[in-house]
Amino acid sequence: AQSVTQLDSQVPVFEEAPVELRCNYSSSVSVYLFWYVQYPNQGLQLLLKYLSGSTLVKSINGFEAEFNKSQTSFHLRKPSVHISDTAEYFCAVSVYNFNKFYFGSGTKLNVKP
Amino acid sequence: DVKVTQSSRYLVKRTGEKVFLECVQDMDHENMFWYRQDPGLGLRLIYFSYDVKMKEKGDIPEGYSVSREKKERFSLILESASTNQTSMYLCASSGSTGFGPPLHFGNGTRLTVT
Repeated sequence: AQSVTQLDSQVPVFEEAPVELRCNYSSSVSVYLFWYVQYPNQGLQLLLKYLSGSTLVKSINGFEAEFNKSQTSFHLRKPSVHISDTAEYFCAVSVYNFNKFYFGSGTKLNVKP
Repeated sequence: DVKVTQSSRYLVKRTGEKVFLECVQDMDHENMFWYRQDPGLGLRLIYFSYDVKMKEKGDIPEGYSVSREKKERFSLILESASTNQTSMYLCASSGSTGFGPPLHFGNGTRLTVT
């Protein structure tokens, strides 16, 4: 069975500081990995995804995530955060043809001025 | 831009009432999903549909049913609402051939059952 663990429920950070949001998954088969972002009072938006190829994937707003098969991780990073990055971030995992899709419990990123 | 619209932002219902949550997407997507979102639990799939009149149970279908009579509309039905169904409900869609991950979400319906 697959599962997704986001160890940090909340991450406070000051503006312009780097941040890493952790995501680990458990799976005995190949997986596809996703990060979604949910801004206050909104639905989720797909931030980035790993399907195959390069293990480092990037979003248009400066976030990146690296698929690490040996550590079964897909941590999300940004070298310098903005106030506008304050949101809840969800890691998700799927297998094969996306027939099963699992979300983590979410990490609230709070960027302080 | 794809738009997924949920008809109500907030709903308050009484225990035992029949509740309908409506979702409409405007991009002719095959796949539609209903999730519930609870603090500390992330999103859990209730039902999904990969075509008109087709549906499959997700991880927590108990107490819920769905209807997809038209491609653009996916309704979630609580036959007899209970207090443990108080939650945020999110609808999503995707256009992948076959089953694909949810890509476009509505803004959610916060349901309170008293």
